[in-house]
Amino acid sequence: DAGVTQSPTHLIKTRGQQVTLRCSPKSGHDTVSWYQQALGQGPQFIFQYYEEEERQRGNFPDRFSGHQFPNYSSELNVNALLLGDSALYLCASSLGADTQYFGPGTRLTVL
Amino acid sequence: GQQLNQSPQSMFIQEGEDVSMNCTSSSIFNTWLWYKQDPGEGPVLLIALYKAGELTSNGRLTAQFGITRKDSFLNISASIPSDVGIYFCAGQLNNFNKFYFGSGTKLNVKP
Repeated sequence: DAGVTQSPTHLIKTRGQQVTLRCSPKSGHDTVSWYQQALGQGPQFIFQYYEEEERQRGNFPDRFSGHQFPNYSSELNVNALLLGDSALYLCASSLGADTQYFGPGTRLTVL
Repeated sequence: GQQLNQSPQSMFIQEGEDVSMNCTSSSIFNTWLWYKQDPGEGPVLLIALYKAGELTSNGRLTAQFGITRKDSFLNISASIPSDVGIYFCAGQLNNFNKFYFGSGTKLNVKP
């Protein structure tokens, strides 16, 4: 039974570029949440997807957008990258509002 | 957004010692979770708590959902070197809502 998987593992971009991160949920899970974790801090909620729609959103600008596919996998897109977007991006899957299980994360570096 | 105050920020203990850490909030939570994160990896779920007063164990780990529903505690007994890592608490206000994370407790264990 595969857990939550994320790709890529690491990514380096320059300011102004756009990035897409991918997440496959744990088998049997239908809900995907995305978090941003800056160095030395706890994860900060970006948004949550359920039934291919954004259900909840944290305090992140519209440059952060997402998508959920019929197979429950999800993408996080960030436009017009800023230096401050450098962080570990974590995907967590759950069955509805149940306990969330995290993937290994994607380390994004913006130069 | 919600603030979770997690303490202590860091701990240096001797192998074999017991450890206690806690998380407090100004809001009432329906669910408390405790995660452990190793460097460069995603958080791994340790214990989930769903009822006020609930006391749950996972091996040498024991966590409690505070009676006021505004706090939670995690205890680790007889610490070992592999307990080293950052421990995060996370709280959920109500079903279908996002999880808020504390800033973490960094645990160091001296052999």
